[in-house]
Amino acid sequence: LAKTTQPISMDSYEGQEVNITCSHNNIATNDYITWYQQFPSQGPRFIIQGYKTKVTNEVASLFIPADRKSSTLSLPRVSLSDTAVYYCLVGDGNTGGFKTIFGAGTRLFVKA
Amino acid sequence: NAGVTQTPKFQVLKTGQSMTLQCAQDMNHNSMYWYRQDPGMGLRLIYYSASEGTTDKGEVPNGYNVSRLNKREFSLRLESAAPSQTSVYFCASSYDRGGSRGETQYFGPGTRLLVL
Repeated sequence: LAKTTQPISMDSYEGQEVNITCSHNNIATNDYITWYQQFPSQGPRFIIQGYKTKVTNEVASLFIPADRKSSTLSLPRVSLSDTAVYYCLVGDGNTGGFKTIFGAGTRLFVKA
Repeated sequence: NAGVTQTPKFQVLKTGQSMTLQCAQDMNHNSMYWYRQDPGMGLRLIYYSASEGTTDKGEVPNGYNVSRLNKREFSLRLESAAPSQTSVYFCASSYDRGGSRGETQYFGPGTRLLVL
């Protein structure tokens, strides 16, 4: 069963770039890597997704090395409102992608 | 569009009572999911429905049943609630296979359940 490992928490200051790395050594060939953001008392919200190399959207960038055993979410110039839990997801590789594993996520605290 | 809606928002049950959590989506998605989230923890998949008429177990299905009533609605039932089922329950949907195969999951606001 695919599993992800992320830092439990990270601190940052407003205006800094934040990089959160996720380890997924057992990622399957067909699995995408997806990152979600969750604010307190809300459901998770999609941030970004990729398969390999680099993906960028208006919110973040996702860097994936060639072996795909890890990925790094990059948040440019964070603000207080980026304080949230960030989850890295991959599938289990065997059930067509339904049994995605959220893990405990990374709690990001952005300070003024 | 309302997206994914869940009812109720809050519920308190006594041990042994039953209840059904309702979920509906208006995005014409094929797949729907039920997760639970315990304090300070990530989400764990309870059941999912790949398409209308099908359901399958996730990581923690014991003590729950589900019904995919139609394409829009996916309900979660607790037949005999236990304190260990105190949690926040999230429903989600995706157009196709969510998560690892490239389809984004859209989450509802959650139902907070307390079992005494």
